[in-house]
Amino acid sequence: QSVLTQSPSASGTPGQRVTISCSGDSSDIGSHSVNWYQQLPGTAPKLLIYSNDQRPSGVPDRFSGSKSGTSASLAISGLQSEDEADYYCASWDDNLSGVLFGGGTRLTVL
Amino acid sequence: EVQLVQSRAEVKKSGESLRISCEASGYRFTSYWINWVRQMPGKGLEWMGKIDPSDSYTKYSPSFQGHVTISADRSITTAYLQLSSLKASDTAMYYCARRGSGAYYNSLDYWGQGTLVTVSS
Repeated sequence: QSVLTQSPSASGTPGQRVTISCSGDSSDIGSHSVNWYQQLPGTAPKLLIYSNDQRPSGVPDRFSGSKSGTSASLAISGLQSEDEADYYCASWDDNLSGVLFGGGTRLTVL
Repeated sequence: EVQLVQSRAEVKKSGESLRISCEASGYRFTSYWINWVRQMPGKGLEWMGKIDPSDSYTKYSPSFQGHVTISADRSITTAYLQLSSLKASDTAMYYCARRGSGAYYNSLDYWGQGTLVTVSS
C-alpha cells in the first residue's frame, strides 16, 4: 500500500462534530498505532493525536482519535473556524520500514 | 524547548545538486531519529527516509532511494538532506521531523518549519 486512504474533503459548520476516517491494511494500521497531523495553511504539520487516541499537551480535548482493526478516525467536536486545515493520518508500515501517510483530508468550516 | 530549524528557501536549476540542513536543539540529538518528508505543491505528505544520528544508519523510502542522501553531523546537531540531479519535479517543500520516544515512539513529534525548493529548467 503506497498511501493510507482518506476522504479528500470534509466540512462542517461552527459547533458541529465532524469525523475524518483513515483506512489501511494489516501491514500498517493493523499492526501499528495511528497518528494524526494537522497542517494549518502555510505552516508545517503538527502532531495532533498520537498512539491512536492520545493528545499531546496543548491540544484541545475537542480533538479525539480512535482505531479499530485496519481503520482509524479523527473526531472534532465543537468545530471552530480555526480548525480549517488539512488533516493527515499516519502509521508505521512494515513493508516500507517507515512512515506511511494518508492522502490528507481538507476540512472546511462553512 | 525542542526546535528543528531548517535552512532557507533555495532556487536551483535542473541538473544541480542541493543540500538542506536541519539544526536540532533542546534535546539529546543522538537519541532521536530524524525523518525527512516531502510535500509537493498542493499535495500530501510523503516520507522520504530517516537517519539515526547516533550512528548515521539510514533507511530510505524506495520512492526516493538513489536520488537523495540523508546524513547527520553530531558535532553540530544537524541533519542534512541532499538532492542530486535536480528536476522540476523536485520542486516541493521539504520538512525534517523528529521521531518521538516512549508513547510517542511511532510519531513525528516535532517538525522543522520547512524548506521550499524551487527547480527551474
